[in-house]
Amino acid sequence: QVQLVESGGGVVQPGRSLRLSCAGPGFPFGRFGVHWVRQAPGKGLEWVAAISYDGSNQFYADSVKGRFTISRDKSKNTLYLQMNSLRAEDTAVYFCAKERVVAAVLPYYGMDVWGQGTTVIVSS
Amino acid sequence: IVLTQSPGTLYLSPGERATLSCRASQSVSSSYIAWYQQRPGQAPRLLISGASSRATGIPDRFSGSGSATEFTLTISGLEPEDFAMYYCQQSLTFGGGTKVEVK
Repeated sequence: QVQLVESGGGVVQPGRSLRLSCAGPGFPFGRFGVHWVRQAPGKGLEWVAAISYDGSNQFYADSVKGRFTISRDKSKNTLYLQMNSLRAEDTAVYFCAKERVVAAVLPYYGMDVWGQGTTVIVSS
Repeated sequence: IVLTQSPGTLYLSPGERATLSCRASQSVSSSYIAWYQQRPGQAPRLLISGASSRATGIPDRFSGSGSATEFTLTISGLEPEDFAMYYCQQSLTFGGGTKVEVK
């Protein structure tokens, strides 16, 4: 059973940086794309970023483009989200989630495994 | 593409049928439509993909249908654990959600 575990959340001042990790022991990173999805307090789900199964393509929401970078380390079975120039509106629970379809060129088919999330609070 | 879910809140009793709507601002591929359930304090759970295919382990009281710009999630006979938030997704966009609450 694939499991994903996020870490790296915390309280950070506006303008600073934070890096989130998503570990998936046994997760076949080389076969599936992976997403970051966030949820601000009391709000709905917002897709943030995705990386294709082969790591060749990255996708970003307009709200984070130019500030966030998604990457992965296959050797460590870990996904990352580097978040720079953080803003108060980035405060949220951040989930990583596995793309449903194997080797999807575009990770558009839904997310069938989710982590439990890590909380990021941007505040002075 | 904007996804609009309605109603915002659905008040029903256990055993009743729930019909949740997801409308896209333009025609989309059914292959890219998914539905999720989220209970308080939990991560979302995939219910339906490809507009109508149930995910592994999802009870058959959950069904999805629709095409082009109109998609529907139906729960036939609400169980106590079904009272939750529901989100539709089209490729990389989520709808605003529908909350199913006890009447």
